[in-house]
Amino acid sequence: DVKVTQSSRYLVKRTGEKVFLECVQDMDHENMFWYRQDPGLGLRLIYFSYDVKMKEKGDIPEGYSVSREKKERFSLILESASTNQTSMYLCASSLTGMNHGGELFFGEGSRLTVL
Amino acid sequence: AQTVTQSQPEMSVQEAETVTLSCTYDTSESDYYLFWYKQPPSRQMILVIRQEAYKQQNATENRFSVNFQKAAKSFSLKISDSQLGDAAMYFCAYRAPNRDDKIIFGKGTRLHILP
Repeated sequence: DVKVTQSSRYLVKRTGEKVFLECVQDMDHENMFWYRQDPGLGLRLIYFSYDVKMKEKGDIPEGYSVSREKKERFSLILESASTNQTSMYLCASSLTGMNHGGELFFGEGSRLTVL
Repeated sequence: AQTVTQSQPEMSVQEAETVTLSCTYDTSESDYYLFWYKQPPSRQMILVIRQEAYKQQNATENRFSVNFQKAAKSFSLKISDSQLGDAAMYFCAYRAPNRDDKIIFGKGTRLHILP
């Protein structure tokens, strides 16, 4: 079965702390995504990676950075967490193109609270 | 810019009844892809159904079917014989052609199933 695993389901951090959110997929997918999910706002793309060491900014990259050193792993980094980054973070992966239907496979999410 | 609108933030349906979730989108492209994703409470998001814009036939997956009206840019999801396990947040999504990263999500519709 296809699997996207996010390292932490729940995190509580303090303002100014550095936060790492890890995501691992076991499907050999080229593409990996980090989304932020907030009530009433849906899913908003933070960063996208289409290959190892490659990344593209999404719609809301400010305050975030990412790392993709290996194909299966995509990390989201909050250099200095702020209270407005309290949210649910979703990692997803997909194959390139639409030959396989273009489906996104999601992790279970990481709920981050910044105090 | 492409947009996806889900005008019903919440809906309720009696168990075993049929419910339709609405989605409209805006694009200038002629070829694209549309998806419905389901996010059960505290569980990962999964694909329910997909539709390719160049296909006139509406997609169907068991109790789930879509009404795709390309000219009206409408993509509604019909759930027949609703079950308690259908209770979830449902997201409509649009994917641009040849763009792995250009996936636009609506804000979601929370569906309640009444026993």
